[in-house]
Amino acid sequence: DAKTTQPTSMDCAEGRAANLPCNHSTISGNEYVYWYRQIHSQGPQYIIHGLKNNETNEMASLIITEDRKSSTLILPHATLRDTAVYYCIVSVSGYSTLTFGKGTMLLVSP
Amino acid sequence: EAQVTQNPRYLITVTGKKLTVTCSQNMNHEYMSWYRQDPGLGLRQIYYSMNVEVTDKGDVPEGYKVSRKEKRNFPLILESPSPNQTSLYFCASSTGNQPQHFGDGTRLSIL
Repeated sequence: DAKTTQPTSMDCAEGRAANLPCNHSTISGNEYVYWYRQIHSQGPQYIIHGLKNNETNEMASLIITEDRKSSTLILPHATLRDTAVYYCIVSVSGYSTLTFGKGTMLLVSP
Repeated sequence: EAQVTQNPRYLITVTGKKLTVTCSQNMNHEYMSWYRQDPGLGLRQIYYSMNVEVTDKGDVPEGYKVSRKEKRNFPLILESPSPNQTSLYFCASSTGNQPQHFGDGTRLSIL
């Protein structure tokens, strides 16, 4: 699976959009981009995933560049409960091992 | 409600005393997996199973066993636990290209 690079930490004000970047320059054509988050020591929580097109669900939006070498997770209106470590992972399918890097620690402040 | 259930959630035990951490999912997923999470090392896969009676090693399988006799259950067995297996453990399941669902975790302390 391709490796990903994320900033170590980011800050966001409550109510503002949080934009979390991820670089995955070695991504293969059949690899999806998955985003998970982990709040404290809870189980990783799935947020969103995509292959080529931008995706949106009730939690977030995923913007994938045309060359697929990077992506951005957008939390449109961050709340204090969105404070977590966010992981960007590239994987062929749900059957594949998920390689969790160090992720981005997002701190949402009042 | 779709969920992955792990038991126990917390366990303190002693070196050498066999233990089993259970994992059960109610989504009829073919794929199940165990991860451990340690500070500074992130989540690492221990074992995974593509379906009933099909299991394979992940990145850190030493000291662990698994079995997959039923589709919904994937227990993790530590036959002779040692202190270096003190960790936070997660079970996950999925199907196809759908995302993996994770359990709430089991915190093991082995003295």
